[in-house]
Amino acid sequence: DVKVTQSSRYLVKRTGEKVFLECVQDMDHENMFWYRQDPGLGLRLIYFSYDVKMKEKGDIPEGYSVSREKKERFSLILESASTNQTSMYLCASSTPRGWYQETQYFGPGTRLLVL
Amino acid sequence: AQKITQTQPGMFVQEKEAVTLDCTYDTSDPSYGLFWYKQPSSGEMIFLIYQGSYDQQNATEGRYSLNFQKARKSANLVISASQLGDSAMYFCAMREGEEAGTALIFGKGTTLSVSS
Repeated sequence: DVKVTQSSRYLVKRTGEKVFLECVQDMDHENMFWYRQDPGLGLRLIYFSYDVKMKEKGDIPEGYSVSREKKERFSLILESASTNQTSMYLCASSTPRGWYQETQYFGPGTRLLVL
Repeated sequence: AQKITQTQPGMFVQEKEAVTLDCTYDTSDPSYGLFWYKQPSSGEMIFLIYQGSYDQQNATEGRYSLNFQKARKSANLVISASQLGDSAMYFCAMREGEEAGTALIFGKGTTLSVSS
């Protein structure tokens, strides 16, 4: 079974803090993704990575950065947390077996509250 | 324009009944994949079923089937014999093109409530 884990289920931070969200997958997947989920807006892509040290901006990258130093780990960084970054953050991974077979598998999510 | 539209914010069904969750999509790419995910209140997104644009038959996975009507650009999820554990939010998603590693585009979701 594919296993995607995220470092925290719940996180409370203060405005201006630097926040690290960690994601680890154990299936040797090349691709990893960070989404945020907000009520009424569904899931929106922040960043994704298709290889170590490679990254691509998604739809809403502002205020975020990412790091992928190892294949299994993809970190999302909030350089200076703001209240509008309070959200549910979901990490996913996939392997490029051909587009029609490329299913993304998700971690349990991190609910971040920025005060 | 939205790429994935789920018009039902909420659906209510009795146990053991079948339910259809609607999803329409918009793409001009001939190659695409359609996905359904389930999100219980605990938060994790669980992959349910997949349909490729060139697949001739509707996908099925246990109690889940995907009613794929290509000309109408719809990909409805059918859950047969609903169970209390099916209560969750359900998301339809699409990936366009044949390039590996592209992200999914999600709809806004439908909340399904199953009662006894």
